[in-house]
Amino acid sequence: GDSVTQMEGPVTLSEEAFLTINCTYTATGYPSLFWYVQYPGEGLQLLLKATKADDKGSNKGFEATYRKETTSFHLEKGSVQVSDSAVYFCALSSPTGGFKTIFGAGTRLFVKA
Amino acid sequence: NAGVTQTPKFQVLKTGQSMTLQCAQDMNHNSMYWYRQDPGMGLRLIYYSASEGTTDKGEVPNGYNVSRLNKREFSLRLESAAPSQTSVYFCASSETPGVEYGYTFGSGTRLTVV
Repeated sequence: GDSVTQMEGPVTLSEEAFLTINCTYTATGYPSLFWYVQYPGEGLQLLLKATKADDKGSNKGFEATYRKETTSFHLEKGSVQVSDSAVYFCALSSPTGGFKTIFGAGTRLFVKA
Repeated sequence: NAGVTQTPKFQVLKTGQSMTLQCAQDMNHNSMYWYRQDPGMGLRLIYYSASEGTTDKGEVPNGYNVSRLNKREFSLRLESAAPSQTSVYFCASSETPGVEYGYTFGSGTRLTVV
């Protein structure tokens, strides 16, 4: 079945450092890919998405490119801020999976001032 | 503010008690979902409703029931709570079940079963 694997955390960075959170997926067909962010005590919020190969999703300085050849959707940000401290979830949704969204386990990011 | 509203935010139950978690959305979305979030396991789908009048089981439906009361509301019921159901529960909605749409989540219900 469909699945998402993302790097384990926590990831600890200093402010203004470069961020990469790796995400790979397994799916039949052509899934849509998502990154969600969860701040402490809150629900998940959609951060960005990409619906076909080579698409780049971007929002709030975060970017991720849909790489079908490597089945990856890595999240990047050039300069993190303390306010980016949160848990990040990679997710996919595909027609062959009945359109249900499958989430990775989440990666916690701590950014130090 | 438009969005998904969940009640209650916190609840403590004794083993064997029952309760219903409420969820309502005001975005005119067709599809609604219940997930549970446990440490290190991401979110797991309990039940979903692709459209008003339909409900289907997800990955972990045992011990739960749902009702899609109308287009806005989707409730989750625990008939006889067990400690294994201690979790954070999230309701979500989407415009359609289509793959190109993301979800809007509520702020969650933190449930402890003792």
